[in-house]
Amino acid sequence: GEDVEQSLFLSVREGDSSVINCTYTDSSSTYLYWYKQEPGAGLQLLTYIFSNMDMKQDQRLTVLLNKKDKHLSLRIADTQTGDSAIYFCAVTDSGTYKYIFGTGTRLKVLA
Amino acid sequence: GAVVSQHPSRVICKSGTSVKIECRSLDFQATTMFWYRQFPKKSLMLMATSNEGSKATYEQGVEKDKFLINHASLTLSTLTVTSAHPEDSSFYICSATDRTGPTNEQYFGPGTRLTVT
Repeated sequence: GEDVEQSLFLSVREGDSSVINCTYTDSSSTYLYWYKQEPGAGLQLLTYIFSNMDMKQDQRLTVLLNKKDKHLSLRIADTQTGDSAIYFCAVTDSGTYKYIFGTGTRLKVLA
Repeated sequence: GAVVSQHPSRVICKSGTSVKIECRSLDFQATTMFWYRQFPKKSLMLMATSNEGSKATYEQGVEKDKFLINHASLTLSTLTVTSAHPEDSSFYICSATDRTGPTNEQYFGPGTRLTVT
């Protein structure tokens, strides 16, 4: 089945850029998503990218998609302490509406 | 728009009892709802997919007699953990989709923390 991997931790200084990476094994997902989870809370959709695109920018967020390498990344510009959270990438399971979540990256922003 | 609520947000129950968690879509009709379980510092594990008016589809390894799911209306799905045991303690999150938008986006509830003593 689909396997979606992320690095577990990332630590950056306030004001720097953060880059969170995600790799997946099945390339059939039409949309690929990035979600943010704060402690004890549900998931908040940050952004998504259509599989025919290779880049999408939304204010401080930039998503890059490399379909050949099956690699997705989320760049957060000017990272703030409020960005500290766990970030999950998600792809859709082939032919279904089900999400397959990545392992999650815990972002810590140092003041 | 697209708000999903869960109730309760936290529940503590004794071992052997049952507990019901509700998931509601507040401003849209959810044709499909999903139930996830999240262990501490882990990713979300899909437990089951629930379509309104039909039986839920459970993922492999999830006991359907233990985790009863009912999707009685287009705005409400319930998860009942029957005969709960301490190992059922977890964070349970639901999501909902109306499957009408182009992105098939799932909208997530805030989660329910279950502690079984």
